[in-house]
Amino acid sequence: GEDVEQSLFLSVREGDSSVINCTYTDSSSTYLYWYKQEPGAGLQLLTYIFSNMDMKQDQRLTVLLNKKDKHLSLRIADTQTGDSAIYFCAESMRAAGNKLTFGGGTRVLVKP
Amino acid sequence: DAGVTQSPTHLIKTRGQQVTLRCSPISGHKSVSWYQQVLGQGPQFIFQYYEKEERGRGNFPDRFSARQFPNYSSELNVNALLLGDSALYLCASSLGTGAFAEAFFGQGTRLTVV
Repeated sequence: GEDVEQSLFLSVREGDSSVINCTYTDSSSTYLYWYKQEPGAGLQLLTYIFSNMDMKQDQRLTVLLNKKDKHLSLRIADTQTGDSAIYFCAESMRAAGNKLTFGGGTRVLVKP
Repeated sequence: DAGVTQSPTHLIKTRGQQVTLRCSPISGHKSVSWYQQVLGQGPQFIFQYYEKEERGRGNFPDRFSARQFPNYSSELNVNALLLGDSALYLCASSLGTGAFAEAFFGQGTRLTVV
């Protein structure tokens, strides 16, 4: 079955690194995604990783995938106040095309 | 280039009424998906349409229906509204429906049922 879980809240100081964690249950996941949602806004795709990869780096963002433990993480380096938002991990599965299954979201608060 | 546009941005309806939400995809995108996001939760998949045909349906009651028009725009209809239908309804468009066809989301329609 499909189930994606995230911790609810993360508080971090400006300039520190943030690590947001996600677990998923379906081993047939094809792609795993991180989306950002700011207040009153839609979803912005930050980055994604294909399920046969272990790591992907994109500027300040690093995605780590542990397939054995079905664990996905997003590290944001040098966190800024503009990074305060809700972050969702999501998965898509080959059999379901690009239908996305989202976690419940992690609210990240960056303190100056 | 215009992104995904949704209308209206906000609306308030009474229990038992019907509502129609509209979505215009990015030019050239042929797939439209609808998601419901209840406050404090992640988005839940409702429907996907591609080339005017339904390609996927989430676990929602028959009160929810949708369609896609020849210009690839889409409407989501919800009948017999319940208080629990209050949510942000998100539309996403993509080029296709393959395993990785990046989904671009609109700003959403905030529906409040009173």
